[in-house]
Parts: sequence; C-alpha cells; structure tokens
Amino acid sequence: NAGVTQTPKFQVLKTGQSMTLQCAQDMNHEYMSWYRQDPGMGLRLIHYSVGAGITDQGEVPNGYNVSRSTTEDFPLRLLSAAPSQTSVYFCASTRGRGLGYTFGSGTRLTVV
Amino acid sequence: DQQVKQNSPSLSVQEGRISILNCDYTNSMFDYFLWYKKYPAEGPTFLISISSIKDKNEDGRFTVFLNKSAKHLSLHIVPSQPGDSAVYFCAATANFGNEKLTFGTGTRLTIIP
Repeated sequence: NAGVTQTPKFQVLKTGQSMTLQCAQDMNHEYMSWYRQDPGMGLRLIHYSVGAGITDQGEVPNGYNVSRSTTEDFPLRLLSAAPSQTSVYFCASTRGRGLGYTFGSGTRLTVV
Repeated sequence: DQQVKQNSPSLSVQEGRISILNCDYTNSMFDYFLWYKKYPAEGPTFLISISSIKDKNEDGRFTVFLNKSAKHLSLHIVPSQPGDSAVYFCAATANFGNEKLTFGTGTRLTIIP
C-alpha cells in the first residue's frame, strides 16, 4: 500500500516549457487535490476532483490543467512554465471528510 | 482574503510542557476543521479533526478545541516531545460535497529539550 505517489521529486524547467506532474493513489479514494506551498502562504488549492471524469478549479488554477480519467491518477499539467510557478506541489487524496487527506511527498519545481 | 489564519508564525515550548497552537477563521460556512503536521521535505500528515457540532476532540496527546462563536480553534499537545517539532497547519472545509480544504499559513513549533 503505497498511499499517494508523486513524480518527479525535483524538476527544473525553463520559462515557456511544459510538463506534467504525476500523482497516483492506490487507496481507491474519490477525492483528489493539487496544492502548492509557497513561503508564508500555506497551501493553496490549484485544482480538485470529486471522482473520475470530474474536475474543478481551486483558488489558484491559472496556468495549470488537470484531468481525471481513472480513480487512481490525477496528473497536473503546466502549460507554459513561468517563474511564478516555482513552488512545492503536493497531491492529496481522501475518501471523505473526517478521514483527513493523505498527501504525497511533494514535487519541488523551479522555473528559470 | 485569508479565510483561515494562524497569526503566530513560530512557537517555542520546553519539552514536557503544553504546546498551544491557535487558528482563526472567517467563513461561517466552514463546518469541519483539521490539523496537519509537516516535516521538512515531506508532505503534510493528518493529525486530528473536529466537526462543528463538537467543541472538543481528543486523540492521545493531541486535543483540538473549537469555539464557534469566536470562530477560533486551538490544538493542544501535552506533553510536548522533541519529535513534535514541525510546522502545523490548520485547515477548514465546508459541506459542499467537494472536500476542498482551505489552509492557514502554518505555525513552526520548536520543542526545546
């Protein structure tokens, strides 16, 4: 039982490049989310999903796309990387309220 | 607009004493509150939660108190241990069926041996 797996752990991108951050969970959780953590700002919600085929925007969605074709996977796509997207990204999943979200170990992204 | 606020960026407590971390919220729709602990280079780990129908929830050394009228919650850790040194995030969610969490900015707790 691996929990929530994020890849890669580290990535450096040039401005304008695109990439996909991978997230997979093996707990059959319905709800999945992507957060970014920036100094002094806590964790901010980028996109979330309440089940396969259903996604919606969070607090800071601009510059990011998501899809949820299966229950297990919830990739986050950066369309054209910008230095403002330098951050630590966390994927999380839960079966529902009261059970808490399980977080992955994060992807540290630097855009130069 | 910060809907969940942790006004103390850092807190130092001696080992064995009580640690009290505070959190305030502004959104009246929030009805479920959670605390997470985060070590460097790791993802946050769920600690404890409380529903708005309760005013206290306890789990071992951790107790969360909720004061709905003041829109305030606190996490008590007793006794504090060196392994408790971490960043603690308060989070809240409303019952809209989407389980979206709104996080505070975190409090760095340092336990002094």
